[in-house]
Amino acid sequence: GENVEQHPSTLSVQEGDSAVIKCTYSDSASNYFPWYKQELGKGPQLIIDIRSNVGEKKDQRIAVTLNKTAKHFSLHITETQPEDSAVYFCAAGGITGGGNKLTFGTGTQLKVEL
Amino acid sequence: DTEVTQTPKHLVMGMTNKKSLKCEQHMGHRAMYWYKQKAKKPPELMFVYSYEKLSINESVPSRFSPECPNSSLLNLHLHALQPEDSALYLCASSQAGASNRGNTIYFGEGSWLTVV
Repeated sequence: GENVEQHPSTLSVQEGDSAVIKCTYSDSASNYFPWYKQELGKGPQLIIDIRSNVGEKKDQRIAVTLNKTAKHFSLHITETQPEDSAVYFCAAGGITGGGNKLTFGTGTQLKVEL
Repeated sequence: DTEVTQTPKHLVMGMTNKKSLKCEQHMGHRAMYWYKQKAKKPPELMFVYSYEKLSINESVPSRFSPECPNSSLLNLHLHALQPEDSALYLCASSQAGASNRGNTIYFGEGSWLTVV
């Protein structure tokens, strides 16, 4: 099955700095790579996703890159703000049995300090 | 705000109780999911329904029984749970098999379950 590793487990940055979270996956058949933000007491919220036919995707301050050859993908957040503080999960997977089968990374606790 | 609605938000149940978690979505999605999340851990897939049929069961104990009565509703029936089953139970939905690449999964806010 798929195995997703995520680093770092905790990340502390100053407001306005950039934050980078990296993930690796093991199953070359995986073709869908979403990133979720989870605030305390809430469900995961999708912030950006990328599919294997694309190498990079950007949405305002958030960008994701994918290297299928190396089985790496990364989340980049620029101009960080205190409200970016949360746990971020990467995931990898694809269509199985009519639905998505996603395997999540272990999470990164991001803290943006004033 | 999420368009996947879960009830109740909090549930405390004894080990001999029978209770149910409920989930509803009105995005026209035909795939629905149950995930379990323990504190400081990632979500773990339990069940996938596609077109109201169970398509994936990740070897979940039979004390958890899913049900998909129609395309908008998903239930998780709970019976004879153990204290270690205490967790956040997340419902999610997505399009089903619309492409050969992954479809976006939307999560609800979850139901916090405590088994005493």
